Amino acid sequence: DTAVSQTPKYLVTQMGNDKSIKCEQNLGHDTMYWYKQDSKKFLKIMFSYNNKELIINETVPNRFSPKSPDKAHLNLHINSLELGDSAVYFCASSQIRGRTEAFFGQGTRLTVV
Amino acid sequence: GENVEQHPSTLSVQEGDSAVIKCTYSDSASNYFPWYKQELGKGPQLIIDIRSNVGEKKDQRIAVTLNKTAKHFSLHITETQPEDSAVYFCAASSDGGSQGNLIFGKGTKLSVKP
Repeated sequence: DTAVSQTPKYLVTQMGNDKSIKCEQNLGHDTMYWYKQDSKKFLKIMFSYNNKELIINETVPNRFSPKSPDKAHLNLHINSLELGDSAVYFCASSQIRGRTEAFFGQGTRLTVV
Repeated sequence: GENVEQHPSTLSVQEGDSAVIKCTYSDSASNYFPWYKQELGKGPQLIIDIRSNVGEKKDQRIAVTLNKTAKHFSLHITETQPEDSAVYFCAASSDGGSQGNLIFGKGTKLSVKP
């Protein structure tokens, strides 16, 4: 069983579109995250969320928004996509924010054309 | 907020040699320091971690050292093998709250030549 799964694996879309990436974890973890990995492989935290608190990296544009229907899911919605949004997006989860191992999904490669 | 610097950005070694990757962090409140390995087309995967109450930790061919005074930590891989070739990331975080997110270094691409 895949611990953290995200779909789709690849996403190609035009500028200006709105898209979503789904993430699910079956580890029973309390905290989920979204990371962005750019072309230089730099991993940057975008959001972390548990059932009590959403922490947003202040550099993330408000076109990006996380939505959590329940503890096992944290989806990423992106409005008005721009060329600079092209990257690989990773979902991750951990039992306790920042204190225990984070398990990563396989990534979603987003290409905006 | 926390800032993590990682060096070198690329590292090439011969099979059987040792590899060392170094990181420094800025936030003295950080107390958890994991290392991740990312293979091509996959998500990062934890290989070893260390907490601030420990100076060194070893797991087979992999070891991590931590110097809290100097705010730096290092990954040591001995007897490298071609399958060790990947991108390695260090990270740092502190307990909970707004500082509780893992902040990553920029990665080191390790190439092990047979």
